[in-house]
Amino acid sequence: DQQVKQNSPSLSVQEGRISILNCDYTNSMFDYFLWYKKYPAEGPTFLISISSIKDKNEDGRFTVFLNKSAKHLSLHIVPSQPGDSAVYFCAASADSGNTPLVFGKGTRLSVIA
Amino acid sequence: DGGITQSPKYLFRKEGQNVTLSCEQNLNHDAMYWYRQDPGQGLRLIYYSQIVNDFQKGDIAEGYSVSREKKESFPLTVTSAQKNPTAFYLCASSIIRAGRNEQFFGPGTRLTVL
Repeated sequence: DQQVKQNSPSLSVQEGRISILNCDYTNSMFDYFLWYKKYPAEGPTFLISISSIKDKNEDGRFTVFLNKSAKHLSLHIVPSQPGDSAVYFCAASADSGNTPLVFGKGTRLSVIA
Repeated sequence: DGGITQSPKYLFRKEGQNVTLSCEQNLNHDAMYWYRQDPGQGLRLIYYSQIVNDFQKGDIAEGYSVSREKKESFPLTVTSAQKNPTAFYLCASSIIRAGRNEQFFGPGTRLTVL
Protein backbone atom coordinates (compact mmCIF):
# COMPACT_ATOMS: atom_id res chain seq x y z
CA ASP A 1 0.00 0.00 0.00
CA GLN A 2 1.49 3.31 -1.09
CA GLN A 3 1.98 5.61 1.86
CA VAL A 4 3.11 8.58 -0.25
CA LYS A 5 1.21 9.30 -3.44
CA GLN A 6 1.91 11.67 -6.28
CA ASN A 7 -1.15 11.25 -8.44
CA SER A 8 0.01 13.33 -11.38
CA PRO A 9 2.73 11.53 -13.35
CA SER A 10 3.41 14.62 -15.43
CA LEU A 11 2.79 18.36 -15.56
CA SER A 12 3.46 20.98 -18.25
CA VAL A 13 3.75 24.67 -17.42
CA GLN A 14 4.64 27.77 -19.39
CA GLU A 15 7.88 29.53 -18.48
CA GLY A 16 7.24 32.30 -15.97
CA ARG A 17 4.04 30.78 -14.64
CA ILE A 18 3.51 28.90 -11.38
CA SER A 19 4.12 25.15 -11.12
CA ILE A 20 2.18 23.31 -8.43
CA LEU A 21 3.14 19.74 -7.61
CA ASN A 22 0.96 17.78 -5.23
CA CYS A 23 1.57 14.96 -2.79
CA ASP A 24 -0.74 13.01 -0.48
CA TYR A 25 0.18 10.70 2.35
CA THR A 26 -1.70 8.14 4.41
CA ASN A 27 0.53 7.51 7.44
CA SER A 28 -0.41 9.90 10.25
CA MET A 29 2.95 9.18 11.91
CA PHE A 30 4.80 11.10 9.21
CA ASP A 31 6.10 14.35 10.66
CA TYR A 32 8.80 15.47 8.24
CA PHE A 33 8.40 15.98 4.52
CA LEU A 34 10.87 16.67 1.74
CA TRP A 35 10.95 17.41 -1.97
CA TYR A 36 13.71 16.19 -4.26
CA LYS A 37 14.47 17.07 -7.86
CA LYS A 38 15.94 14.49 -10.22
CA TYR A 39 17.41 14.67 -13.70
CA PRO A 40 17.74 11.49 -15.83
CA ALA A 41 20.62 9.19 -14.91
CA GLU A 42 21.54 11.33 -11.89
CA GLY A 43 20.90 11.10 -8.17
CA PRO A 44 18.08 13.19 -6.66
CA THR A 45 19.02 16.52 -5.14
CA PHE A 46 17.38 17.86 -2.02
CA LEU A 47 15.16 20.86 -2.68
CA ILE A 48 13.17 21.87 0.38
CA SER A 49 11.63 20.32 3.49
CA ILE A 50 8.97 21.05 6.07
CA SER A 51 8.33 19.83 9.57
CA SER A 52 4.81 19.00 10.72
CA ILE A 53 4.92 21.87 13.21
CA LYS A 54 4.80 24.29 10.29
CA ASP A 55 2.36 24.77 7.44
CA LYS A 56 4.65 26.65 5.07
CA ASN A 57 8.32 26.84 4.24
CA GLU A 58 9.84 29.09 1.62
CA ASP A 59 13.23 29.09 -0.10
CA GLY A 60 13.61 31.47 -3.00
CA ARG A 61 11.31 30.41 -5.83
CA PHE A 62 10.25 27.26 -3.97
CA THR A 63 7.51 27.08 -1.34
CA VAL A 64 6.13 23.97 0.30
CA PHE A 65 2.70 23.99 1.93
CA LEU A 66 1.54 21.35 4.39
CA ASN A 67 -2.10 20.62 5.25
CA LYS A 68 -1.95 18.05 8.03
CA SER A 69 -5.69 17.59 8.36
CA ALA A 70 -5.92 16.70 4.67
CA LYS A 71 -2.61 14.79 4.73
CA HIS A 72 -1.57 16.82 1.72
CA LEU A 73 1.45 18.85 0.74
CA SER A 74 2.31 20.84 -2.33
CA LEU A 75 5.39 22.38 -3.88
CA HIS A 76 5.00 25.74 -5.62
CA ILE A 77 7.64 27.00 -8.03
CA VAL A 78 7.32 30.66 -8.99
CA PRO A 79 8.32 31.69 -11.59
CA SER A 80 8.94 28.43 -13.42
CA GLN A 81 12.08 28.24 -15.54
CA PRO A 82 13.11 25.77 -18.26
CA GLY A 83 15.88 24.47 -15.96
CA ASP A 84 13.19 23.34 -13.53
CA SER A 85 12.19 20.60 -15.97
CA ALA A 86 12.88 17.38 -14.06
CA VAL A 87 11.17 14.68 -12.04
CA TYR A 88 10.12 15.81 -8.57
CA PHE A 89 9.80 13.32 -5.72
CA CYS A 90 7.89 13.87 -2.53
CA ALA A 91 9.23 12.01 0.52
CA ALA A 92 8.10 11.59 4.13
CA SER A 93 9.57 10.38 7.38
CA ALA A 94 8.24 9.48 10.84
CA ASP A 95 9.77 9.86 14.27
CA SER A 96 11.17 13.32 13.53
CA GLY A 97 13.28 12.00 10.72
CA ASN A 98 14.85 9.03 12.45
CA THR A 99 13.14 6.51 10.18
CA PRO A 100 13.99 6.04 6.49
CA LEU A 101 12.27 8.24 3.95
CA VAL A 102 9.28 6.92 2.01
CA PHE A 103 9.13 8.26 -1.54
CA GLY A 104 6.30 8.89 -3.95
CA LYS A 105 6.56 7.79 -7.58
CA GLY A 106 7.41 11.27 -8.80
CA THR A 107 5.92 13.91 -11.09
CA ARG A 108 7.69 14.89 -14.31
CA LEU A 109 7.59 18.66 -14.73
CA SER A 110 8.12 20.18 -18.16
CA VAL A 111 8.55 23.94 -18.31
CA ILE A 112 7.91 25.17 -21.82
CA ALA A 113 9.69 28.28 -23.07
CA ASP B 1 35.23 18.18 -1.71
CA GLY B 2 32.60 16.32 0.32
CA GLY B 3 30.11 14.01 -1.26
CA ILE B 4 28.93 10.54 -2.11
CA THR B 5 30.58 8.50 -4.81
CA GLN B 6 29.20 5.44 -6.50
CA SER B 7 31.10 3.24 -8.86
CA PRO B 8 30.88 2.17 -11.52
CA LYS B 9 28.40 4.42 -13.35
CA TYR B 10 27.35 1.58 -15.67
CA LEU B 11 27.63 -2.11 -14.92
CA PHE B 12 26.82 -5.14 -17.00
CA ARG B 13 26.62 -8.65 -15.68
CA LYS B 14 25.63 -12.02 -16.95
CA GLU B 15 22.63 -13.74 -15.52
CA GLY B 16 23.55 -15.87 -12.51
CA GLN B 17 26.52 -13.75 -11.43
CA ASN B 18 26.80 -11.79 -8.21
CA VAL B 19 27.92 -8.17 -8.51
CA THR B 20 28.92 -5.58 -5.91
CA LEU B 21 28.11 -1.87 -6.20
CA SER B 22 30.34 0.55 -4.35
CA CYS B 23 29.19 3.52 -2.26
CA GLU B 24 31.53 5.81 -0.34
CA GLN B 25 30.82 9.04 1.53
CA ASN B 26 33.14 11.56 3.16
CA LEU B 27 30.40 13.64 4.75
CA ASN B 28 30.81 11.95 8.15
CA HIS B 29 27.17 10.90 7.94
CA ASP B 30 25.90 8.26 10.33
CA ALA B 31 23.28 6.64 8.14
CA MET B 32 23.54 5.17 4.66
CA TYR B 33 20.88 3.81 2.34
CA TRP B 34 20.43 1.87 -0.86
CA TYR B 35 17.49 2.47 -3.18
CA ARG B 36 16.42 1.04 -6.45
CA GLN B 37 14.60 3.02 -9.15
CA ASP B 38 12.67 1.41 -12.00
CA PRO B 39 10.93 3.28 -14.85
CA GLY B 40 7.74 4.94 -13.61
CA GLN B 41 8.49 3.95 -10.05
CA GLY B 42 9.65 5.93 -7.09
CA LEU B 43 12.69 5.08 -5.03
CA ARG B 44 12.28 1.81 -3.20
CA LEU B 45 14.42 1.12 -0.13
CA ILE B 46 16.61 -1.99 -0.27
CA TYR B 47 18.73 -1.73 2.89
CA TYR B 48 19.82 0.94 5.33
CA SER B 49 22.37 1.27 8.09
CA GLN B 50 22.37 3.78 10.92
CA ILE B 51 25.59 2.63 12.57
CA VAL B 52 28.69 0.63 11.69
CA ASN B 53 28.24 -3.15 11.77
CA ASP B 54 24.46 -2.87 11.82
CA PHE B 55 21.93 -2.69 8.98
CA GLN B 56 18.22 -3.19 8.42
CA LYS B 57 16.19 -4.59 5.55
CA GLY B 58 14.08 -2.20 3.55
CA ASP B 59 10.99 -2.95 1.49
CA ILE B 60 12.71 -4.99 -1.23
CA ALA B 61 15.76 -6.65 0.41
CA GLU B 62 15.31 -10.09 -1.14
CA GLY B 63 18.22 -11.01 -3.41
CA TYR B 64 20.49 -8.29 -2.02
CA SER B 65 23.12 -8.16 0.73
CA VAL B 66 25.10 -5.34 2.34
CA SER B 67 27.89 -4.73 4.82
CA ARG B 68 28.87 -1.71 6.92
CA GLU B 69 32.37 -2.33 8.19
CA LYS B 70 33.36 1.34 7.98
CA LYS B 71 31.33 4.49 8.52
CA GLU B 72 32.29 5.75 5.06
CA SER B 73 31.39 2.68 3.05
CA PHE B 74 28.19 0.74 2.37
CA PRO B 75 28.61 -1.72 -0.54
CA LEU B 76 25.60 -3.50 -2.02
CA THR B 77 25.82 -6.99 -3.50
CA VAL B 78 23.21 -7.99 -6.04
CA THR B 79 23.06 -11.75 -5.87
CA SER B 80 21.88 -14.26 -8.44
CA ALA B 81 18.79 -14.72 -6.28
CA GLN B 82 17.51 -11.26 -7.30
CA LYS B 83 14.99 -12.10 -10.01
CA ASN B 84 14.92 -8.77 -11.83
CA PRO B 85 18.15 -6.92 -11.08
CA THR B 86 18.26 -4.56 -14.05
CA ALA B 87 17.63 -1.11 -12.55
CA PHE B 88 19.16 2.20 -11.50
CA TYR B 89 20.68 1.91 -8.03
CA LEU B 90 21.08 4.92 -5.76
CA CYS B 91 23.06 5.25 -2.56
CA ALA B 92 22.32 7.98 -0.03
CA SER B 93 23.53 9.14 3.36
CA SER B 94 22.25 11.37 6.14
CA ILE B 95 23.04 12.67 9.58
CA ILE B 96 20.78 11.20 12.24
CA ARG B 97 19.28 14.06 14.21
CA ALA B 98 15.84 14.72 15.59
CA GLY B 99 13.57 16.69 13.35
CA ARG B 100 15.70 16.56 10.22
CA ASN B 101 16.59 13.81 7.80
CA GLU B 102 17.76 15.22 4.52
CA GLN B 103 19.34 12.43 2.57
CA PHE B 104 22.06 13.22 0.09
CA PHE B 105 22.34 10.99 -2.93
CA GLY B 106 25.19 9.71 -5.05
CA PRO B 107 25.10 9.81 -8.87
CA GLY B 108 23.77 6.26 -9.18
CA THR B 109 24.83 3.02 -10.88
CA ARG B 110 22.87 1.59 -13.78
CA LEU B 111 23.02 -2.20 -13.66
CA THR B 112 22.06 -4.19 -16.72
CA VAL B 113 21.80 -7.96 -16.65
CA LEU B 114 22.47 -9.55 -20.03
